[in-house]
Amino acid sequence: AQSVTQLGSHVSVSEGALVLLRCNYSSSVPPYLFWYVQYPNQGLQLLLKYTTGATLVKGINGFEAEFKKSETSFHLTKPSAHMSDAAEYFCAVSEVKAAGNKLTFGGGTRVLVKP
Amino acid sequence: DAGITQSPRYKITETGRQVTLMCHQTWSHSYMFWYRQDLGHGLRLIYYSAAADITDKGEVPDGYVVSRSKTENFPLTLESATRSQTSVYFCASSANSPLHFGNGTRLTVT
Repeated sequence: AQSVTQLGSHVSVSEGALVLLRCNYSSSVPPYLFWYVQYPNQGLQLLLKYTTGATLVKGINGFEAEFKKSETSFHLTKPSAHMSDAAEYFCAVSEVKAAGNKLTFGGGTRVLVKP
Repeated sequence: DAGITQSPRYKITETGRQVTLMCHQTWSHSYMFWYRQDLGHGLRLIYYSAAADITDKGEVPDGYVVSRSKTENFPLTLESATRSQTSVYFCASSANSPLHFGNGTRLTVT
């Protein structure tokens, strides 16, 4: 069985500061890993994904994440926070590609950006 | 417009009533999913479908029924709604690609 743990249900950052959202996973087989963002009253949008190859993955809106197998982590970062980054962020893992990337999600981290 | 649409966006119902949430996608994606979102739990998978007439249980299927007679539609039915089913429900679709989500249905059971 897979599981995802996101450390910190709420994160507050100042505009222009580093954004760091932590995600650890467990999976019995090599995982596919995803970060999604959810703005208020909307569905989830894909930020970035890791399947195979380069472990540093770049996504939309200046976000990137690094897959570290030894640490079973996939932390999300952005060098400089913008007010528009205020949202909820979800880390997710997919183990069985044949099931259409059926995802297991973490509990989410809500990001507040202070001016 | 192409995409995935859910209806209704908001629904209030009473305990014991049957409720059906609709999901329609225009991409002809073979896979479709229903998740519920609750504070502190993230999103949990209720049911999913690999193709028309093929469905399978997810993590929290109790109290829910799904059907998939056509590729583009994947309705979710609560046969006898309970207060614990108050939640935001998301439908998603995929073609062995990252999931695409609808905007959700906020369901309140009183």
